[in-house]
Amino acid sequence: QQQVKQSPQSLIVQKGGISIINCAYENTAFDYFPWYQQFPGKGPALLIAIRPDVSEKKEGRFTISFNKSAKQFSLHIMDSQPGDSATYFCAASRLTGGGNKLTFGTGTQLKVEL
Amino acid sequence: EPEVTQTPSHQVTQMGQEVILRCVPISNHLYFYWYRQILGQKVEFLVSFYNNEISEKSEIFDDQFSVERPDGSNFTLKIRSTKLEDSAMYFCASPPGPDSPWTYEQYFGPGTRLTVT
Repeated sequence: QQQVKQSPQSLIVQKGGISIINCAYENTAFDYFPWYQQFPGKGPALLIAIRPDVSEKKEGRFTISFNKSAKQFSLHIMDSQPGDSATYFCAASRLTGGGNKLTFGTGTQLKVEL
Repeated sequence: EPEVTQTPSHQVTQMGQEVILRCVPISNHLYFYWYRQILGQKVEFLVSFYNNEISEKSEIFDDQFSVERPDGSNFTLKIRSTKLEDSAMYFCASPPGPDSPWTYEQYFGPGTRLTVT
């Protein structure tokens, strides 16, 4: 019940296109859903996050869509750029009474081609 | 983005040896986390540390692992007798500074690559 399932495993998008990565969770106690971006040899970098009281959050070219009833959330990268090529991890945690340990998805390798 | 620092960046050790990984979190925050990432796999939670005590640990964090706060600003992760399967990237994570309202955010350090031979 602690799993977070992420798809696709890899994604190739043309420059200027939209990248979409999906995640699904099982534990309804999760109440914080961040996305991390990781470049090779680096630590995960917090990109954007959402709480379940809203259905969408946008920061620049990055948008999280959240569907509480379906227990799914997704990351949309608009106008994808070659510099966005990285591995993206969704995660979930329980802030209320949960200590906030992050449970990560399996990652999506994004490649943005010219 | 707030900065978490870790040392060393790469540690090579022989099986059965003890290793100590170090981290300096952000601004003496009370919360602190260790995660690991086996090459090509997802990031996995190891242990959380709150107010100088372990608050939660995963099944990975067995008796061979320990965490300490030897002084006010540093945290360490010790693996007493390393095994080949301990080879991974080890990340510490910290919330932003105590003045930030977003205390549930976690910022990761650059990691220590541990290679056990």
